[in-house]
Order: sequence, then structure tokens, then C-alpha cells
Amino acid sequence: GQSLEQPSEVTAVEGAIVQINCTYQTSGFYGLSWYQQHDGGAPTFLSYNALDGLEETGRFSSFLSRSDSYGYLLLQELQMKDSASYFCAVMGGNNRKLIWGLGTSLAVNP
Amino acid sequence: DTEVTQTPKHLVMGMTNKKSLKCEQHMGHRAMYWYKQKAKKPPELMFVYSYEKLSINESVPSRFSPECPNSSLLNLHLHALQPEDSALYLCASAGGLESSYEQYFGPGTRLTVT
Repeated sequence: GQSLEQPSEVTAVEGAIVQINCTYQTSGFYGLSWYQQHDGGAPTFLSYNALDGLEETGRFSSFLSRSDSYGYLLLQELQMKDSASYFCAVMGGNNRKLIWGLGTSLAVNP
Repeated sequence: DTEVTQTPKHLVMGMTNKKSLKCEQHMGHRAMYWYKQKAKKPPELMFVYSYEKLSINESVPSRFSPECPNSSLLNLHLHALQPEDSALYLCASAGGLESSYEQYFGPGTRLTVT
């Protein structure tokens, strides 16, 4: 089967750093994506890792370890506007469709 | 232009109605997607079009009928829906199937079936 696991909820304070982990089990693996979705909004693409290592984009970084079937999204200098749901998603299989995790609801408090 | 547009924003329909959802992108993307999303859940893939041909149908009931008239447009025709079909319907596009990891989503259509 195919499955992704990520924490359901994370809480942090403004200015802090938070890490959202994602472990996956899929048949066929091309890479790991991260999406952000605010309440009432649409998912927005954040990052993609196809190879092992850390990718940095501003305050957000994403990491992948293919041998461990594990990745994480790191959010630094948290702001209130970062309160949202964060989904990890694996591109895999013969048809390269995205398999989505259940999402992590991040609450950033003052 | 990195925008995907969807109309209408909201739709209320009875179980005997026929309606259509529309999606448009002008990014030159060759892959387009329909998703259904319930509250507090991840998007659930329904259909994928690649180069205007249906590539994936995730065993969606026939009361949902997709159509891709050209490379920029994607429609979802709705007929005889059930109350449990009420959800946010999202359209997305990507450069191609090989770029499915980076999808651009429209704002969605909030559908209520009464």
C-alpha cells in the first residue's frame, strides 16, 4: 500500500522554529513535495525534494532522506500568517500522481 | 501569469440539477487535475488530463464527467449529485505529468448539494 504519516497538529510561538516531519511508504518514488493551505484557501506549492539533502527557500527549508523514507519541512522565524495546514505529498507510481498526507495543522501564537 | 481561475466560486444545486464547473489556466501547462476536498482532509484526486487526454480516472462515479476542450480549459460536468458530494472542488495544473510534484491550484468551487 501507499501511506504518508505526518503529525496532525503542531503549535508554536511567533519567532520560533518548527519542524513538520513526514514518513512515507509508496510503490515507486520520485520525490517529496510540501504544500501550504490556509483555511478557506487553495493549496500552494512550497517545495520539492527529489534528492537527499536540504533545500532552502527563504524562511522555509525542506529535507529528504530517501534511505529513511523520511522528510521534513522546517519553518523559521515563524509569523502569524504561517498558521495553516501543511501537506506532504509523494510523487510516485507509474502515473506520477501525487499521494497526499493527511496534513499538519500549524497554529502560531503570539 | 501563474494563475488558475475557477468559476463559479460557490454553487448550490439540487440532486436533479445539471451544472458545470470551469477551470482555466494560461501558463502553457499540459497537465490538469480535478480534486475534491472535504473539510480538514487532503485533496482527493478525481481526474488527470495530459495533453488534453484523460490520463487518470480515480474510479469516480459517472455523475461526475470531465471534459478538456483545449489545453487551457477544463470542465467538470455534474449531474444527479448526492448530498455527500458537497465539498470544495479544486482544479490544478502542472507543466506536465513529470512535473506533477509542482501543481498550481485554483481557488476552488464550494459546492453544496441539497
